[in-house]
Amino acid sequence: EVHLVQSGAEVKKAGESLRISCKGSGSSFSDSWITWVRQMPGKGLEWMGTTDPTDFYTKYSPPFEGHVTISADKSTTTAYLQWRSLKASDTATYYCARHLIEVIDAYHHYRMDVWGKGTTVTVSS
Amino acid sequence: QSVLTQPPSASGTPGQRLTISCSGSGSNIGSNFVNWYQQLPETAPKLLIYDNTQRPSGVPDRFSASKSGTSAALAISGLQSEDEAAYFCEAWDDSLSGPVFGGGTKLTVL
Repeated sequence: EVHLVQSGAEVKKAGESLRISCKGSGSSFSDSWITWVRQMPGKGLEWMGTTDPTDFYTKYSPPFEGHVTISADKSTTTAYLQWRSLKASDTATYYCARHLIEVIDAYHHYRMDVWGKGTTVTVSS
Repeated sequence: QSVLTQPPSASGTPGQRLTISCSGSGSNIGSNFVNWYQQLPETAPKLLIYDNTQRPSGVPDRFSASKSGTSAALAISGLQSEDEAAYFCEAWDDSLSGPVFGGGTKLTVL
């Protein structure tokens, strides 16, 4: 069974840096992407970005590009979400998810089938 | 403002059948498959429906979904108290080259 284990809750101050992690079992990193999703308190799900651990290609959602860095280390089956300078508005729960892609009859099938339990980040101003 | 549009709330009584709608555009729902996620209170989202209509192993057949044009719908029959959760639709968006979500529908079982 595939699992994604995320690092623990963080309490930081505005301006500080932070890296949170998402460690997967072997099959969660082969032939799939890892996607990060933000959920602000009481709000919905927002796509932040997606990385391919096999070639390190990363695609960012426009609102997040330049503010966060997404990376992955296939050798340790761990993905990361990193901030150089946190803001109070970064207070949220962050989920990593395995993003499956299948091409069947020339159609692309995408789905996030395994999710981590989430990492809550609290940033004080 | 979410790219996909869902009603923010829905409610029903035990045993009832209920439908949650999800509206998008040609670059997402109109040209890609729709997925639905269930988020129980204080837990991570869970894949509930994929490829418009498919249920992952373990998801009760009380949950079903459909898609037509640029809209999709999730149906829950025989509503149960444990179905009280937030439900999110999601689809790949060709313009964005990434996934887009609905704002979520919070279901209350009265």
